[in-house]
Amino acid sequence: GENVEQHPSTLSVQEGDSAVIKCTYSDSASNYFPWYKQELGKRPQLIIDIRSNVGEKKDQRIAVTLNKTAKHFSLHITETQPEDSAVYFCAASKQTQGGSEKLVFGKGTKLTVNP
Amino acid sequence: NAGVTQTPKFRVLKTGQSMTLLCAQDMNHEYMYWYRQDPGMGLRLIHYSVGEGTTAKGEVPDGYNVSRLKKQNFLLGLESAAPSQTSVYFCASSYNHLGGGYKNIQYFGAGTRLSVL
Repeated sequence: GENVEQHPSTLSVQEGDSAVIKCTYSDSASNYFPWYKQELGKRPQLIIDIRSNVGEKKDQRIAVTLNKTAKHFSLHITETQPEDSAVYFCAASKQTQGGSEKLVFGKGTKLTVNP
Repeated sequence: NAGVTQTPKFRVLKTGQSMTLLCAQDMNHEYMYWYRQDPGMGLRLIHYSVGEGTTAKGEVPDGYNVSRLKKQNFLLGLESAAPSQTSVYFCASSYNHLGGGYKNIQYFGAGTRLSVL
């Protein structure tokens, strides 16, 4: 089955710097890659996603890139702010017949943005 | 529109006791999921359902049972709780996104914090 590796497990940056979180996946059939943000004590929430027919997607200060050949994708946050401090999870999924889609999550990255 | 609601929010059990966690969604979603979240382990799928009356095993199903008798509800049962089941449990739901290509956007409940002593 699918296996998603996420690095680093913790990341500390200064406010205004950029942060990059990387994930690799094992199943070449995976075609959907979302990123979730979980603030302390809260539920995970989708912040951005990308499908396999797209190499890059951007939404204001966050962007995701995908390299299908190397089977890795990354989350980029620019001009980080203290409110970006959270745990970020990557995930991978593939569409299947019969609708048995599920997400396989990475273990998460705890991002701390220091003022 | 409440989204995904989990009850209870907190629970303390003794080893061997049983309990049921309830997940309810009002978005008419076909798919529902139960995850457990442990420090450093991310979100691990316990069981999931692709429609009313159907269930399937996820990555860590042992010690848990589920039922989906109604489309809007997904129940997670612990028949004989063990300390290893101390965790935060999240329920999520999603729909079959057909337009514009495949997506699986999952909406999470607020979680249930369970301690087994």
